[in-house]
Formats: sequence, C-alpha cells, structure tokens
Amino acid sequence: DGGITQSPKYLFRKEGQNVTLSCEQNLNHDAMYWYRQDPGQGLRLIYYSQIVNDFQKGDIAEGYSVSREKKESFPLTVTSAQKNPTAFYLCASTGTGGQPQHFGDGTRLSIL
Amino acid sequence: AQSVTQLDSQVPVFEEAPVELRCNYSSSVSVYLFWYVQYPNQGLQLLLKYLSGSTLVKGINGFEAEFNKSQTSFHLRKPSVHISDTAEYFCAVSLTWNTGNQFYFGTGTSLTVIP
Repeated sequence: DGGITQSPKYLFRKEGQNVTLSCEQNLNHDAMYWYRQDPGQGLRLIYYSQIVNDFQKGDIAEGYSVSREKKESFPLTVTSAQKNPTAFYLCASTGTGGQPQHFGDGTRLSIL
Repeated sequence: AQSVTQLDSQVPVFEEAPVELRCNYSSSVSVYLFWYVQYPNQGLQLLLKYLSGSTLVKGINGFEAEFNKSQTSFHLRKPSVHISDTAEYFCAVSLTWNTGNQFYFGTGTSLTVIP
C-alpha cells in the first residue's frame, strides 16, 4: 500500500543535541511538508518542498532544517537552536491539481 | 491573507444525536476544501474533499459537508454519531500559487461523543 512513513514514533532529545526525523513516501508525490502540532492547537508549517533539491521556509522555520535529495524522502532536523522542540511533528505529501495532503502517523519529540 | 476558522473548539454530543462542526474560510480566490480527522497520537486522515461540482460532498464514516460559496463556509455534519467518532477534526483549504499548493488549517474541533 502507498503511504507516508515517519520514524521514529517517539524521540528524545538532550540539551544541545540535533535530532533528525525521517519521512518517506511511496506515493510518487512531488510536494512534501513538515508541520508542528502543539496540544490543543492546529498545524503550523515548518518547511515545504515542491520538487527535489528545492524547499521553502514555512511560518516557523527557525531552529529547523530540511533536505530534499530524493523525491521520496524529506527529513527534518531539529537543531539545538530550537529552544522549545517538544511537540508532535507531522509529515505530509500531496500530488497536483488540488489533491488533499496525505499524512504520516507523526513523531512525538520530547526533551530529556 | 488566507485563514480558516473553526468556530467551536469543543463539541460534546450524545451518542446517536446529530452533529455539525462549523468551518469558515477567507479567501479572495477559488479554493479546495477538506475535512480531516485525527485520533490520539496519529496523523490526519482525510474525511472528505470539495474540489468542484456538487456542493454537497459525502465522505467516509457517514460524514458529509456542504460548500457555501456566498457564506464561505464548509460545515461538516453527521446525522447520528457513534462513540468511535470521538476525535479531533480539522478543516483545511488549499490554494495553488506559483510556488505550488499551500494548505491552511483551522485550529481544530474536539468532538466528544457521550454514551
């Protein structure tokens, strides 16, 4: 079955540490997105990529970085510059022509 | 600027009663509209979508929504809810820019079905 796989499901970060969240899709979608979700809040866009080797900052990109070296992969790195990283992170992808986003099952990041 | 407003943050409803979750959006251009459901510690699952055509769209799990262009609304309805419908519901709109598709989400409505 086609879909989006996020790993790990749970992740813990120590102070001063960078961590990378994985997102892989086999839907052949060009566009991929990273969102942050905090309790009781909606989704906030971190980064998005419309095509391989290109990506744009979203609304809350500070303290995060991404790469898009392959169409199916869009990893997110939470750097030590992100002072409040505890959240639920969701990866999504979409095709063209107004199609909806497909979401992974998320990664919950916590601080040790 | 685009925005999506979900008017109710929490909606309690008794089992087998009808429910309506409200969504309004602001946009000066044509949009695509979606409703998603999120269960605890999971991603978002598409309930239904409006791209064009009939303004009444039917989705999974017995949900339906009606697009009202004049009122810029896309309310979600179900005639009889089940315990298993307890979840967070998100309304979203999509626009196509020259930089690609952009999605805007509401802050969510927590639906609690009471036995």
